[in-house]
Amino acid sequence: ETGVTQTPRHLVMGMTNKKSLKCEQHLGHNAMYWYKQSAKKPLELMFVYSLEERVENNSVPSRFSPECPNSSHLFLHLHTLQPEDSALYLCASSQDRGGRTDTQYFGPGTRLTVL
Amino acid sequence: GENVEQHPSTLSVQEGDSAVIKCTYSDSASNYFPWYKQELGKRPQLIIDIRSNVGEKKDQRIAVTLNKTAKHFSLHITETQPEDSAVYFCAASGGYQKVTFGTGTKLQVIP
Repeated sequence: ETGVTQTPRHLVMGMTNKKSLKCEQHLGHNAMYWYKQSAKKPLELMFVYSLEERVENNSVPSRFSPECPNSSHLFLHLHTLQPEDSALYLCASSQDRGGRTDTQYFGPGTRLTVL
Repeated sequence: GENVEQHPSTLSVQEGDSAVIKCTYSDSASNYFPWYKQELGKRPQLIIDIRSNVGEKKDQRIAVTLNKTAKHFSLHITETQPEDSAVYFCAASGGYQKVTFGTGTKLQVIP
């Protein structure tokens, strides 16, 4: 349960605030992901980083800005969010074996509420 | 892009009965199909996965079947127990770490 950690676990912010979500993986993986999970919707892939390079940006609004300084850390910077951005934000990691998709390990998530 | 449909959205079974959840996918290039279980307030966790070179895979009370021609795959849970109650997600991937998830099935096992 401690392989992928996320902080904070809960976050309440106003629409004009700037905040950041942090994810850290201790599994030696080289790929990291951000997902958005809303009620009654599938897990939506937001960003994928493999070997510290962004390989996927799934049409995410620019008010969400990812950062991957190394293979163990992933950030999601938030700026001028909307109430509809309230959701559970999940981080995950996996091992990228030359394009072959492998098991993803999820963090506990950050429950974000935008007022 | 890939589209994954999952049915049913909710499923109630008596303890000891079997549960079946079905998914279809659209991209014939998809070759990896994991299933995740998410208990209330917890993170999704992989319970079983299958790759396209295999038609069926079992792990104790859990099995997954894949029909590549029809582009559908199913999760089978036998002898269900109350601790099987959770939301189950299917997913499909064609590689390069891009995974598309289904909408989830809320399984309730009634003691």
